[in-house]
Amino acid sequence: RKEVEQDPGPFNVPEGATVAFNCTYSNSASQSFFWYRQDCRKEPKLLMSVYSSGNEDGRFTAQLNRASQYISLLIRDSKLSDSATYLCVVNRGDYKLSFGAGTTVTVRA
Amino acid sequence: DTGVSQDPRHKITKRGQNVTFRCDPISEHNRLYWYRQTLGQGPEFLTYFQNEAQLEKSRLLSDRFSAERPKGSFSTLEIQRTEQGDSAMYLCASSLLPGQGITDTQYFGPGTRLTVL
Repeated sequence: RKEVEQDPGPFNVPEGATVAFNCTYSNSASQSFFWYRQDCRKEPKLLMSVYSSGNEDGRFTAQLNRASQYISLLIRDSKLSDSATYLCVVNRGDYKLSFGAGTTVTVRA
Repeated sequence: DTGVSQDPRHKITKRGQNVTFRCDPISEHNRLYWYRQTLGQGPEFLTYFQNEAQLEKSRLLSDRFSAERPKGSFSTLEIQRTEQGDSAMYLCASSLLPGQGITDTQYFGPGTRLTVL
């Protein structure tokens, strides 16, 4: 079983729509959680950290459910520029990040 | 731009040849990481340095792979006797040491895309 699992999508949504997706992680000792964004053939870039209380950054909302070991990301009012692959990332408390395979989001005009 | 740079950006080589990649981290970052990403997958951890010390190597890193960070600044990753299965994007990341008010957020470079023919 992979340490971090994500629905690969693709999620195809119109501009202005809301899109949400989850990932699950297997190691209950995981300590920190992130969403990274990766554009085609580019490097991953940190989108946001995910905190137990949930957190919001503009149109992006992240939630963490430690009991069920899943993390979610919600994007409101989708823009064309939100089209990307979103990587769910978990840190077990050491220095290694464990990445999911990514969820592809395509926002259409 | 995160400030991590990698060179070259693309490398095409024939099977059996040796290749070397370079990573220059953000200047004040103590930690440097190498990851490998294949198509349709997320990056996978390869190895990690704290200053000049290589503290861990993944089982993914066979004996043909070696990494160095001789002065605790830039790092090199060498692959000897390349195989077609080595074709991937090789990503470097760097971070600070976590501490009071300091997170160890990892910032990635643009990667080196290796194609082994």
